[in-house]
Amino acid sequence: RKEVEQDPGPFNVPEGATVAFNCTYSNSASQSFFWYRQDCRKEPKLLMSVYSSGNEDGRFTAQLNRASQYISLLIRDSKLSDSATYLCVVNDFRGGGGADGLTFGKGTHLIIQP
Amino acid sequence: DAGITQSPRHKVTETGTPVTLRCHQTENHRYMYWYRQDPGHGLRLIHYSYGVKDTDKGEVSDGYSVSRSKTEDFLLTLESATSSQTSVYFCATSNQDSEQYFGPGTRLTVT
Repeated sequence: RKEVEQDPGPFNVPEGATVAFNCTYSNSASQSFFWYRQDCRKEPKLLMSVYSSGNEDGRFTAQLNRASQYISLLIRDSKLSDSATYLCVVNDFRGGGGADGLTFGKGTHLIIQP
Repeated sequence: DAGITQSPRHKVTETGTPVTLRCHQTENHRYMYWYRQDPGHGLRLIHYSYGVKDTDKGEVSDGYSVSRSKTEDFLLTLESATSSQTSVYFCATSNQDSEQYFGPGTRLTVT
């Protein structure tokens, strides 16, 4: 069974600080990776894809370590509005018409404190 | 955003009654999905569709059926609702077997 594991938190972080959390995945054949953000009682929204070389989008940096099978998300200069649950998502891409390859972690709850 | 709407947004129903949830998208995405989200379980795939009239089961399909007669609509039916089906239901779409975009969700309570 495919597994995606995340520390559920909560991570309580003061505004302006840098916070990082990881996610580990069990299937070494996994092919693509994402971070989603979910606000309380709302739908998940795509935050960023995670590329092998690592990628950055403003204050957010995502890294992939295939050898150790983990993905990380770094948030710099955290804002109150960053408070949310962050979901790690792994795609095994079965192809051939099968589109059920996404596995979601249960999420890491982040609270930015003023 | 992929222009995804879900209806109804909230529903309370009694055990044993049939319930149909609708997902509508305006982006002409090929793939559509139904998930449920429960505390302690995260998002779990119920059924998905990879084209009109092409559907398949996900991880937690028992007690649910789906239909997709048009590209834009994906229906989820609970033939006889049970209390264990109380949950938040999300529809999602994608144009490839890759990142997915979610609708606003339906909160279903089965009493």
